[in-house]
Amino acid sequence: DAKTTQPPSMDCAEGRAANLPCNHSTISGNEYVYWYRQIHSQGPQYIIHGLKNNETNEMASLIITEDRKSSTLILPHATLRDTAVYYCIVRVAYDMRFGAGTRLTVKP
Amino acid sequence: DTEVTQTPKHLVMGMTNKKSLKCEQHMGHRAMYWYKQKAKKPPELMFVYSYEKLSINESVPSRFSPECPNSSLLNLHLHALQPEDSALYLCASSQDRGGAHEQYFGPGTRLTVT
Repeated sequence: DAKTTQPPSMDCAEGRAANLPCNHSTISGNEYVYWYRQIHSQGPQYIIHGLKNNETNEMASLIITEDRKSSTLILPHATLRDTAVYYCIVRVAYDMRFGAGTRLTVKP
Repeated sequence: DTEVTQTPKHLVMGMTNKKSLKCEQHMGHRAMYWYKQKAKKPPELMFVYSYEKLSINESVPSRFSPECPNSSLLNLHLHALQPEDSALYLCASSQDRGGAHEQYFGPGTRLTVT
C-alpha cells in the first residue's frame, strides 16, 4: 500500500502562504493524491486532488513533483479559519486510508 | 446540494442498548462509507457500500452492523458496544467507489458508550 509522510505540525502567519509538504515515494502510476482537512470536531473536507499535473481551485493549489514522489499543498493567503489538520492521502485501490496528517496553526 | 447529513449529532448509550446511526445524501452518489475516529487520531475506514452492496468490511466486530436500505441512506446498527467504541462516527459518500471521485463527509455522530 502506498503511504504518505507529513510533518506532524506547522505554523503559518495569517495572510501568508501555507505550504504543506507530503512524501509518497511508493505511489503507483494510477494513484491520485488527495488532500483533505479537518477542522476540530467536524467531518473532513475535500480540498483538492491530482494525478500528475499541478492543480488549482478556489481553495488551494497542489504541486506534484515530476517523479510523483512528493507533493505540496499551498494555501495562498492563510486565514485563522484555515487552522486544521491537513491529510495527504494516496488512493489505495478504490478506498482512502488517512495518515496522521499535519496540524496547521495559523497565527495572527 | 453537497451535503451529507448524520443523525443524531450526539449519542450516549449503555453497553446493553441497541441504537442506530443514520446517514443521508441526496447527491445521487452510489458509494457510501462509514469511518470511525478516536480522539486525536485520523479517521479509520470501517465499511464501504457500492451500489447498495457491502463491498468492504475492514474486519469490524459484529456488534457494528451496517445497512444500506437505498442509494440515499446508510445506517449503522449498534448492539452490545464497549466503552472503547466511544468515538466520532463519520459517514461519507462519493459519486462512485472507483475513479477520481472525492468523498463528501457528514459532520459525524459523537458516540459515548457508558
